Amino acid sequence: NAGVTQTPKFQVLKTGQSMTLQCAQDMNHNSMYWYRQDPGMGLRLIYYSASEGTTDKGEVPNGYNVSRLNKREFSLRLESAAPSQTSVYFCASSSLAGGPATPDTQYFGPGTRLTVL
Amino acid sequence: DAKTTQPNSMESNEEEPVHLPCNHSTISGTDYIHWYRQLPSQGPEYVIHGLTSNVNNRMASLAIAEDRKSSTLILHRATLRDAAVYYCITGIGGTSYGKLTFGQGTILTVHP
Repeated sequence: NAGVTQTPKFQVLKTGQSMTLQCAQDMNHNSMYWYRQDPGMGLRLIYYSASEGTTDKGEVPNGYNVSRLNKREFSLRLESAAPSQTSVYFCASSSLAGGPATPDTQYFGPGTRLTVL
Repeated sequence: DAKTTQPNSMESNEEEPVHLPCNHSTISGTDYIHWYRQLPSQGPEYVIHGLTSNVNNRMASLAIAEDRKSSTLILHRATLRDAAVYYCITGIGGTSYGKLTFGQGTILTVHP
Protein backbone atom coordinates (compact mmCIF):
# COMPACT_ATOMS: atom_id res chain seq x y z
CA ASN A 1 0.00 0.00 0.00
CA ALA A 2 1.25 3.45 -0.92
CA GLY A 3 -1.00 5.13 1.69
CA VAL A 4 -1.60 8.78 0.84
CA THR A 5 0.20 10.17 -2.19
CA GLN A 6 0.43 13.79 -3.27
CA THR A 7 1.56 15.41 -6.50
CA PRO A 8 3.51 17.48 -7.19
CA LYS A 9 6.13 17.50 -4.42
CA PHE A 10 7.28 21.03 -5.22
CA GLN A 11 5.75 23.87 -7.22
CA VAL A 12 6.61 27.51 -7.90
CA LEU A 13 3.87 29.77 -9.20
CA LYS A 14 3.62 33.40 -10.13
CA THR A 15 0.92 35.55 -8.56
CA GLY A 16 -2.36 35.04 -10.40
CA GLN A 17 -1.54 31.62 -11.82
CA SER A 18 -3.75 28.65 -11.07
CA MET A 19 -2.92 25.07 -10.22
CA THR A 20 -4.41 21.90 -8.80
CA LEU A 21 -2.82 19.80 -6.08
CA GLN A 22 -3.64 16.12 -6.37
CA CYS A 23 -4.15 13.65 -3.54
CA ALA A 24 -4.99 9.97 -3.64
CA GLN A 25 -5.34 7.26 -0.98
CA ASP A 26 -5.47 3.50 -1.39
CA MET A 27 -6.80 2.60 2.07
CA ASN A 28 -10.50 2.73 1.12
CA HIS A 29 -11.01 5.60 3.56
CA ASN A 30 -14.25 7.55 3.65
CA SER A 31 -12.88 10.92 4.69
CA MET A 32 -10.18 13.13 3.22
CA TYR A 33 -8.68 16.44 4.31
CA TRP A 34 -6.51 19.28 3.06
CA TYR A 35 -4.28 21.20 5.50
CA ARG A 36 -1.73 23.93 5.08
CA GLN A 37 1.31 24.50 7.27
CA ASP A 38 3.09 27.82 7.38
CA PRO A 39 6.66 28.05 8.72
CA GLY A 40 6.87 27.38 12.46
CA MET A 41 3.14 26.78 12.72
CA GLY A 42 0.83 23.87 13.24
CA LEU A 43 -1.41 22.61 10.47
CA ARG A 44 -4.65 24.41 9.63
CA LEU A 45 -7.59 22.71 7.95
CA ILE A 46 -8.58 24.14 4.56
CA TYR A 47 -11.35 21.79 3.39
CA TYR A 48 -12.47 18.31 4.18
CA SER A 49 -14.69 15.66 2.67
CA ALA A 50 -16.43 13.46 5.20
CA SER A 51 -17.57 11.04 2.51
CA GLU A 52 -17.60 10.70 -1.26
CA GLY A 53 -19.80 13.39 -2.77
CA THR A 54 -19.56 15.86 0.12
CA THR A 55 -17.13 18.66 0.89
CA ASP A 56 -17.08 21.26 3.65
CA LYS A 57 -15.03 24.28 4.59
CA GLY A 58 -12.43 24.11 7.30
CA GLU A 59 -10.68 26.89 9.16
CA VAL A 60 -9.00 28.67 6.19
CA PRO A 61 -10.98 27.98 2.96
CA ASN A 62 -10.67 31.38 1.25
CA GLY A 63 -8.83 31.24 -2.07
CA TYR A 64 -9.25 27.48 -2.49
CA ASN A 65 -11.68 25.05 -4.06
CA VAL A 66 -11.80 21.29 -3.74
CA SER A 67 -13.19 18.34 -5.64
CA ARG A 68 -13.80 14.87 -4.28
CA LEU A 69 -13.39 13.13 -7.61
CA ASN A 70 -14.17 9.66 -6.25
CA LYS A 71 -13.53 7.77 -3.04
CA ARG A 72 -9.79 7.66 -3.69
CA GLU A 73 -9.05 11.18 -4.90
CA PHE A 74 -9.42 14.65 -3.40
CA SER A 75 -7.95 17.64 -5.23
CA LEU A 76 -7.26 21.19 -4.08
CA ARG A 77 -7.35 24.06 -6.57
CA LEU A 78 -5.88 27.51 -6.32
CA GLU A 79 -7.70 29.63 -8.92
CA SER A 80 -5.53 32.74 -8.61
CA ALA A 81 -2.48 32.14 -6.47
CA ALA A 82 -1.29 34.80 -4.03
CA PRO A 83 2.00 35.07 -2.09
CA SER A 84 0.01 34.47 1.13
CA GLN A 85 -0.68 30.94 -0.15
CA THR A 86 3.01 30.06 0.00
CA SER A 87 2.95 27.08 2.32
CA VAL A 88 3.31 23.34 2.63
CA TYR A 89 0.09 21.53 1.80
CA PHE A 90 -0.78 18.18 3.35
CA CYS A 91 -3.52 15.81 2.38
CA ALA A 92 -4.83 13.27 4.87
CA SER A 93 -7.41 10.52 4.98
CA SER A 94 -9.26 8.58 7.64
CA SER A 95 -11.87 5.88 7.76
CA LEU A 96 -14.39 7.51 10.12
CA ALA A 97 -15.92 4.06 9.97
CA GLY A 98 -17.32 4.38 13.46
CA GLY A 99 -18.94 7.71 12.76
CA PRO A 100 -17.85 11.22 13.70
CA ALA A 101 -18.08 10.73 17.46
CA THR A 102 -15.49 7.98 17.61
CA PRO A 103 -11.71 8.32 17.67
CA ASP A 104 -10.18 8.13 14.28
CA THR A 105 -6.63 8.04 12.97
CA GLN A 106 -5.64 10.31 10.12
CA TYR A 107 -2.93 9.29 7.69
CA PHE A 108 -0.97 12.06 6.04
CA GLY A 109 0.76 12.38 2.71
CA PRO A 110 4.32 13.71 2.30
CA GLY A 111 3.20 17.23 1.42
CA THR A 112 3.47 19.67 -1.49
CA ARG A 113 5.78 22.62 -1.01
CA LEU A 114 4.27 25.59 -2.86
CA THR A 115 5.93 28.95 -3.40
CA VAL A 116 4.01 31.84 -4.92
CA LEU A 117 6.16 34.69 -6.19
CA ASP B 1 -12.70 22.05 20.19
CA ALA B 2 -10.86 22.00 23.50
CA LYS B 3 -7.65 24.04 23.57
CA THR B 4 -4.35 22.44 24.51
CA THR B 5 -1.18 23.95 25.97
CA GLN B 6 2.23 22.40 25.43
CA PRO B 7 5.79 23.59 26.13
CA ASN B 8 7.43 25.05 23.05
CA SER B 9 10.46 22.79 23.27
CA MET B 10 12.07 20.00 25.26
CA GLU B 11 15.40 18.22 25.13
CA SER B 12 16.44 14.71 25.95
CA ASN B 13 19.41 12.42 25.66
CA GLU B 14 19.34 9.29 23.59
CA GLU B 15 18.07 6.17 25.39
CA GLU B 16 16.56 8.20 28.23
CA PRO B 17 12.81 8.45 28.90
CA VAL B 18 10.98 11.55 27.75
CA HIS B 19 7.79 12.93 29.31
CA LEU B 20 5.92 15.39 27.11
CA PRO B 21 3.17 17.24 29.00
CA CYS B 22 -0.09 18.64 27.69
CA ASN B 23 -2.73 20.70 29.48
CA HIS B 24 -6.32 20.55 28.27
CA SER B 25 -8.30 22.04 31.13
CA THR B 26 -11.44 22.68 29.03
CA ILE B 27 -11.73 19.14 27.71
CA SER B 28 -15.24 17.75 27.66
CA GLY B 29 -16.22 14.34 28.93
CA THR B 30 -16.46 12.77 25.49
CA ASP B 31 -13.30 14.27 23.99
CA TYR B 32 -10.47 11.91 23.21
CA ILE B 33 -6.83 12.90 23.65
CA HIS B 34 -4.69 12.27 20.58
CA TRP B 35 -0.98 12.65 19.98
CA TYR B 36 0.59 13.06 16.58
CA ARG B 37 4.19 13.80 15.71
CA GLN B 38 5.83 15.36 12.69
CA LEU B 39 9.32 14.35 11.72
CA PRO B 40 11.38 16.92 9.78
CA SER B 41 10.07 17.48 6.25
CA GLN B 42 7.32 14.89 6.63
CA GLY B 43 3.60 14.84 7.23
CA PRO B 44 2.28 14.22 10.74
CA GLU B 45 1.92 10.64 11.93
CA TYR B 46 -0.35 9.19 14.57
CA VAL B 47 1.26 8.22 17.87
CA ILE B 48 -1.44 7.29 20.38
CA HIS B 49 -4.86 8.22 21.72
CA GLY B 50 -6.90 7.67 24.89
CA LEU B 51 -10.02 8.72 26.72
CA THR B 52 -9.68 8.05 30.44
CA SER B 53 -7.33 5.15 31.07
CA ASN B 54 -3.61 5.07 30.45
CA VAL B 55 -2.70 3.55 27.11
CA ASN B 56 0.36 1.78 25.75
CA ASN B 57 1.39 0.91 22.23
CA ARG B 58 4.62 0.07 20.48
CA MET B 59 5.54 3.72 20.03
CA ALA B 60 4.69 5.30 23.37
CA SER B 61 2.54 5.42 26.49
CA LEU B 62 -0.13 7.94 27.32
CA ALA B 63 -0.78 8.82 30.95
CA ILE B 64 -4.04 10.68 31.55
CA ALA B 65 -4.69 12.57 34.77
CA GLU B 66 -7.64 11.46 36.82
CA ASP B 67 -9.49 14.75 36.19
CA ARG B 68 -8.51 14.55 32.48
CA LYS B 69 -7.27 18.14 32.51
CA SER B 70 -3.78 17.06 31.55
CA SER B 71 -1.93 14.18 29.97
CA THR B 72 1.65 13.09 29.37
CA LEU B 73 3.12 11.32 26.39
CA ILE B 74 5.93 9.03 27.47
CA LEU B 75 8.68 7.83 25.16
CA HIS B 76 10.37 5.13 27.17
CA ARG B 77 13.77 5.26 25.47
CA ALA B 78 14.29 8.19 23.16
CA THR B 79 16.16 7.62 19.93
CA LEU B 80 17.49 10.15 17.47
CA ARG B 81 14.61 9.22 15.20
CA ASP B 82 12.16 10.51 17.85
CA ALA B 83 13.31 14.10 17.26
CA ALA B 84 10.13 15.72 15.98
CA VAL B 85 7.32 18.14 16.77
CA TYR B 86 4.75 16.48 19.02
CA TYR B 87 1.15 17.65 18.87
CA CYS B 88 -1.42 17.03 21.58
CA ILE B 89 -4.96 17.28 20.17
CA THR B 90 -8.33 16.93 21.83
CA GLY B 91 -11.92 17.21 20.77
CA ILE B 92 -11.99 14.84 17.84
CA GLY B 93 -15.41 13.49 17.17
CA GLY B 94 -18.93 14.80 17.54
CA THR B 95 -19.37 18.02 15.63
CA SER B 96 -15.63 18.07 14.95
CA TYR B 97 -16.38 15.30 12.46
CA GLY B 98 -12.87 13.92 12.54
CA LYS B 99 -11.17 17.26 12.02
CA LEU B 100 -7.84 17.77 13.74
CA THR B 101 -7.01 21.14 15.31
CA PHE B 102 -3.25 21.50 15.59
CA GLY B 103 -1.51 23.86 17.98
CA GLN B 104 2.17 24.69 17.70
CA GLY B 105 3.27 21.52 19.46
CA THR B 106 6.45 20.71 21.36
CA ILE B 107 9.75 20.52 19.50
CA LEU B 108 11.66 17.55 20.91
CA THR B 109 15.44 17.55 20.47
CA VAL B 110 17.27 14.29 21.19
CA HIS B 111 20.99 14.49 21.87
CA PRO B 112 23.30 11.54 21.09
